[in-house]
Amino acid sequence: AQKITQTQPGMFVQEKEAVTLDCTYDTSDPSYGLFWYKQPSSGEMIFLIYQGSYDQQNATEGRYSLNFQKARKSANLVISASQLGDSAMYFCAMRPLNSGGYQKVTFGTGTKLQVIP
Amino acid sequence: NAGVTQTPKFQVLKTGQSMTLQCAQDMNHNSMYWYRQDPGMGLRLIYYSASEGTTDKGEVPNGYNVSRLNKREFSLRLESAAPSQTSVYFCASSEVTEQFFGPGTRLTVL
Repeated sequence: AQKITQTQPGMFVQEKEAVTLDCTYDTSDPSYGLFWYKQPSSGEMIFLIYQGSYDQQNATEGRYSLNFQKARKSANLVISASQLGDSAMYFCAMRPLNSGGYQKVTFGTGTKLQVIP
Repeated sequence: NAGVTQTPKFQVLKTGQSMTLQCAQDMNHNSMYWYRQDPGMGLRLIYYSASEGTTDKGEVPNGYNVSRLNKREFSLRLESAAPSQTSVYFCASSEVTEQFFGPGTRLTVL
């Protein structure tokens, strides 16, 4: 079974500062992928970044980077130079990387980030 | 390239009515999903389809049915709507390193 834990229900960050959103996971699958999504107040789910469990380097996408620590089973999202538009809910998710068939994605409960001007 | 599209965006039903939520993707993904999102509950998987021609139950399948019409389309049907099915419904499609969501359908059952 897979489990994603996001322990920060809410976070505040000053505009232009960096912020780290925590995500820990538990899985028995040897190979898996980790995702982060942003959900603004408008409701859509926006895919931000992906990290594979066998990737040697941490994933980066613009101002987003994923601090992946496999031994600690953590996949924290780092947002650099926060902007007011970053205020949203952020979800961490995971899926096993099976050779075929269904690949269930498990989501955390989310962290609400508010950027303060 | 529209990504994942869903219709309708909003719907109000009376208890006992039926309806079908439509979803289509143009990314040639094999896997498609239906989720519901309730306040404080995060996303819960209703049904999924690993590939064209296959469907399976997720965490909360009761009261729903699905059809994977072809590789592009995956519909969700409520046969007899109940107030407990008031929620926001998301369709998604995925391959290994990406999963994209549709804009969501806000459904209210009175």
